[in-house]
Amino acid sequence: GDSVTQMEGPVTLSEEAFLTINCTYTATGYPSLFWYVQYPGEGLQLLLKATKADDKGSNKGFEATYRKETTSFHLEKGSVQVSDSAVYFCALIRTDSWGKLQFGAGTQVVVTP
Amino acid sequence: DAGVIQSPRHEVTEMGQEVTLRCKPISGHNSLFWYRQTMMRGLELLIYFNNNVPIDDSGMPEDRFSAKMPNASFSTLKIQPSEPRDSAVYFCASSLPSAGSTDTQYFGPGTRLTVL
Repeated sequence: GDSVTQMEGPVTLSEEAFLTINCTYTATGYPSLFWYVQYPGEGLQLLLKATKADDKGSNKGFEATYRKETTSFHLEKGSVQVSDSAVYFCALIRTDSWGKLQFGAGTQVVVTP
Repeated sequence: DAGVIQSPRHEVTEMGQEVTLRCKPISGHNSLFWYRQTMMRGLELLIYFNNNVPIDDSGMPEDRFSAKMPNASFSTLKIQPSEPRDSAVYFCASSLPSAGSTDTQYFGPGTRLTVL
């Protein structure tokens, strides 16, 4: 079955540090890939997405590139802020799945001043 | 746009009681999803609807859980009887897709359920 694996947290960083969160997936066909973010006490929000191989999704300084050859969708940000402290979820949707998201376990990121 | 609306935001109840969680999706969205989030199990999809019809309820944990979507603007998730292990945050999400689409899901703020 489909699955999404992401690095375990928490990831603790200092402000302005470089952030990488690894995400790999297993799925049949060509899924679309997503990163969602959950701030404390809130629901999930879409951060970025990519729908085909070699696409790069970007938003709020975050980027991720759909790598079909390595089945990966790693999230990066060059300079994090305290406000980026949140839980980040990698997810996929198969095109034949009626929009059903398959989530990874989530990675907590803590940015300290 | 009001976004996905869930009520109540917090619910505390005693074991054995019936609990009803409510969701109003974004107007015009035709898919609705119910999720449960716990520390132990992470984010789990319970059930989802397309055009008010349940498409996949394989994530519903047991017969104590039931969900309905009587119309395009309202859905309920009911637990009867509730048990302490049902304590979790329950999220509702909606989106626009039909089969084959990959549109964004928009999440509500969640209902934090505590069963004593």
